[in-house]
Amino acid sequence: GQQVMQIPQYQHVQEGEDFTTYCNSSTTLSNIQWYKQRPGGHPVFLIQLVKSGEVKKQKRLTFQFGEAKKNSSLHITATQTTDVGTYFCAGAGGRDDKIIFGKGTRLHILP
Amino acid sequence: GAVVSQHPSWVICKSGTSVKIECRSLDFQATTMFWYRQFPKQSLMLMATSNEGSKATYEQGVEKDKFLINHASLTLSTLTVTSAHPEDSSFYICSADGRESGNEQFFGPGTRLTVL
Repeated sequence: GQQVMQIPQYQHVQEGEDFTTYCNSSTTLSNIQWYKQRPGGHPVFLIQLVKSGEVKKQKRLTFQFGEAKKNSSLHITATQTTDVGTYFCAGAGGRDDKIIFGKGTRLHILP
Repeated sequence: GAVVSQHPSWVICKSGTSVKIECRSLDFQATTMFWYRQFPKQSLMLMATSNEGSKATYEQGVEKDKFLINHASLTLSTLTVTSAHPEDSSFYICSADGRESGNEQFFGPGTRLTVL
């Protein structure tokens, strides 16, 4: 069945360094969504990518959707302490457009 | 790794009936479970936060008498859609917060509800 793999599982970066998390699907996706969960909170929707090769930016966050619509990445430039949390990708695909979550990447920022 | 299951994975029911969806944490204890619904091609919408042994906290706009949530044990939360109508047709997903996993979130596979 459809699988969504996300790497890395954990990432520690020095404040100011960049960070990237990658998401790969076993099947072609109709869209991919990214969520952020702050410590103690629940996942909050960040963005949805639909088009092949799409790139979207939100301030220091850059989201990409691969040409084959099977992979995606989230890149954070110059991390800040407020970026701490777990980032989830969720891919929608298959006959019923079922959404499947990756296991998330937990980001720790070292001061 | 931690696994969250949902049952059923899909259900079709007649308008006016009630449907119960189960969310189970299979190999860990979940102090908190979250229930979401998702319409096609849209983002997840948080419906409620369910804490074991206490009443669920519902998000604004979610009818608590229509979407009954019970979190009777550390491994099971249920969402009952009462008197379902076609507009309740959606994809319902739960996620579980591990007690000892530092708030790590594990998502269930979802339940697709179709109300005829």
